[in-house]
Amino acid sequence: AQKITQTQPGMFVQEKEAVTLDCTYDTSDQSYGLFWYKQPSSGEMIFLIYQGSYDEQNATEGRYSLNFQKARKSANLVISASQLGDSAMYFCAMFEMNRDDKIIFGKGTRLHILP
Amino acid sequence: GAGVSQSPRYKVTKRGQDVALRCDPISGHVSLYWYRQALGQGPEFLTYFNYEAQQDKSGLPNDRFSAERPEGSISTLTIQRTEQRDSAMYRCASSLGSDGYEQYFGPGTRLTVT
Repeated sequence: AQKITQTQPGMFVQEKEAVTLDCTYDTSDQSYGLFWYKQPSSGEMIFLIYQGSYDEQNATEGRYSLNFQKARKSANLVISASQLGDSAMYFCAMFEMNRDDKIIFGKGTRLHILP
Repeated sequence: GAGVSQSPRYKVTKRGQDVALRCDPISGHVSLYWYRQALGQGPEFLTYFNYEAQQDKSGLPNDRFSAERPEGSISTLTIQRTEQRDSAMYRCASSLGSDGYEQYFGPGTRLTVT
C-alpha cells in the first residue's frame, strides 16, 4: 500500500485564488512528521512546511498552511493568494519516527498558476 | 552559508562503466540522505547516514549500488556496471539530525547511461 497518496497529478488555478493540494498518508505509528516540498522547473527541492503528529495546531508559514486532519490521515497544503511563481511540482512526504527516519515521498502534484 | 553541493551536475556514461557521485552536505549536518528521482516522479529513498554510519540501505535497488561516508561529511554513491535503467536524477540531502525534517537538498546529479 502507498504510504503517501497525492491524487491530483495536475492542477490549473487562476492567479490570486487559494489552492488546496491533497495528501493522505498511511501509518500505524503514533509519532510521525509530515511535510511539503516545492520543486520548480529548475529542479531544486524547496522545503515549505512541517507538521508533527503531536502538534495540536495546523502549521503555517507565510502563505502556506497545512490542513492537518489526523483522524482522516490527511495533510493538505493550502496556498493562499496564489502567484505565478507558485507554478511548480509539489511533493507531500512523511517520516515515521520508529522506522529509521527515512522519508517517503508522494508522486507529486504539478500546479499551474494561470495569469 | 553554502548549501548542499553535488558533483558532477551531469554525467553521461556508457553501459557497463562504474560511476561515483559525490555529495558535500551542509557543514555540521549529521544526517545525509541519498534519493533517486525519475522524471516527473517524487524522490525515491535510497540510503542514509548518521555521521559515518550507514543507518538504512533498504532503498538501494541492488548490489551494484553502494554508498559511503567515511569521515562523516562528504558522501559518495557508487554505481557499478551501470545499466540504462540507472538513468535518473540522483539527489542528496542533509539535515541537522536524524529526526527527519527540514532536509536540505542539493542540486542533484543527472545521470544518463547510454
